[in-house]
Amino acid sequence: GENVEQHPSTLSVQEGDSAVIKCTYSDSASNYFPWYKQELGKGPQLIIDIRSNVGEKKDQRIAVTLNKTAKHFSLHITETQPEDSAVYFCAAMDTGRRALTFGSGTRLQVQP
Amino acid sequence: NAGVMQNPRHLVRRRGQEARLRCSPMKGHSHVYWYRQLPEEGLKFMVYLQKENIIDESGMPKERFSAEFPKEGPSILRIQQVVRGDSAAYFCASSPLPPGGTDTQYFGPGTRLTVL
Repeated sequence: GENVEQHPSTLSVQEGDSAVIKCTYSDSASNYFPWYKQELGKGPQLIIDIRSNVGEKKDQRIAVTLNKTAKHFSLHITETQPEDSAVYFCAAMDTGRRALTFGSGTRLQVQP
Repeated sequence: NAGVMQNPRHLVRRRGQEARLRCSPMKGHSHVYWYRQLPEEGLKFMVYLQKENIIDESGMPKERFSAEFPKEGPSILRIQQVVRGDSAAYFCASSPLPPGGTDTQYFGPGTRLTVL
């Protein structure tokens, strides 16, 4: 089955700096890669996603890149703000199966 | 447009009791997924259902756990004879019918189950 590795497990940045979170996946059949933000006591909230026919996608301060050859995808947050502090999860899906496989999460702390 | 709804938000059970977790998908969504999250870990897939059908239950323990999504009413995740190891947050997600946008799963707020 699919295995998703996520690094780092914790990340602390100063407000205004950039944050990068990296994930690798093992199953070449995976073709959909969402990123979720989870705040304490809440459910995961989709922040951006990318499909395997695209190498990069951007939405304001958030961008995701995908390298299918290396089976690697990354989340980039620019101009971080204290409200970006949360746990971020990457995930991978083979859309034929529809089950998401999640990484172990990155706790991002943005220091004001 | 209401999002995915789950209830109860918190559930406390003693060992050996039954737990019933409910999920109402977003309006217009007919695909439901259940995931379990242990403390400080990522979410783990349990089961994927459409109305009146279990499509994929490969992540669900073979014993004590069952799920349904009836023609009318919410999806139910049922855990019989709960043990302490069942303590976790259980999240439901939903997605719309194909085609288009079917890959995106929208999550509810979760049910936090504590087994005493």
